[in-house]
Amino acid sequence: QVQLQESGPGLVKPSQTLSLTCTVSGGSISSGGYYWSWIRQHPGKGLEWIGYIYYSGSTYYNPSLKSRVTISVDTSKNQFSLKLSSVTAADTAVYYCARGHRKGNYNWFDPWGQGTLVTVSS
Amino acid sequence: QSVLTQPPSVSAAPGQKVTISCSGSSSNIGNNYVSWYQQLPGTAPKLLIYDNNKRPSGIPDRFSGSKSGTSATLGITGLQTGDEADYYCGTWDSSLSAAVFGGGTQLTVL
Repeated sequence: QVQLQESGPGLVKPSQTLSLTCTVSGGSISSGGYYWSWIRQHPGKGLEWIGYIYYSGSTYYNPSLKSRVTISVDTSKNQFSLKLSSVTAADTAVYYCARGHRKGNYNWFDPWGQGTLVTVSS
Repeated sequence: QSVLTQPPSVSAAPGQKVTISCSGSSSNIGNNYVSWYQQLPGTAPKLLIYDNNKRPSGIPDRFSGSKSGTSATLGITGLQTGDEADYYCGTWDSSLSAAVFGGGTQLTVL
């Protein structure tokens, strides 16, 4: 079955850019039909959807983060990536990648990666 | 504050039934399907319900979902200690143009 695994630095300095990669195994991003997503969870808090990318490169971002977010895909490596610029302590969170399913605008997410904690601190 | 409102916590005894509510508005639950996720301590969320009431393969029928108007409900019967987790509802909000989640409900099986 499809599995996702996040990777990237666990510590980022304020004002810098957070960069994470999600590696997909057990299935091909290029096969289409899914929306490869990033979701984060602040410590002890709920879930916040960041955005998603389709295998073609089409993206959709949460308007609340849109000015700072870039999601890209590398189908040759079966990976997709997140970049979040100008980070502050408020961006400290566990970041999850997930496979998104879509019906109209409605999405559901399955499966999820195990998550990676990113701390923003000097 | 989350767009979707869930009770912070619920509890019930082993073997009993519990329901978790998720309240929204016409811009989200009222005009979209709802999904539910289970997050066991220290793990990633796991899909329990999608399209209001459908269970993915492998999810036992002890878990059920329903929707009425601008609210949705997750039901869990035959509670087990292994069901202790945080539960989140999710949908799309057309006003925000974003996928949104509830604040989560912590289930305690006494």
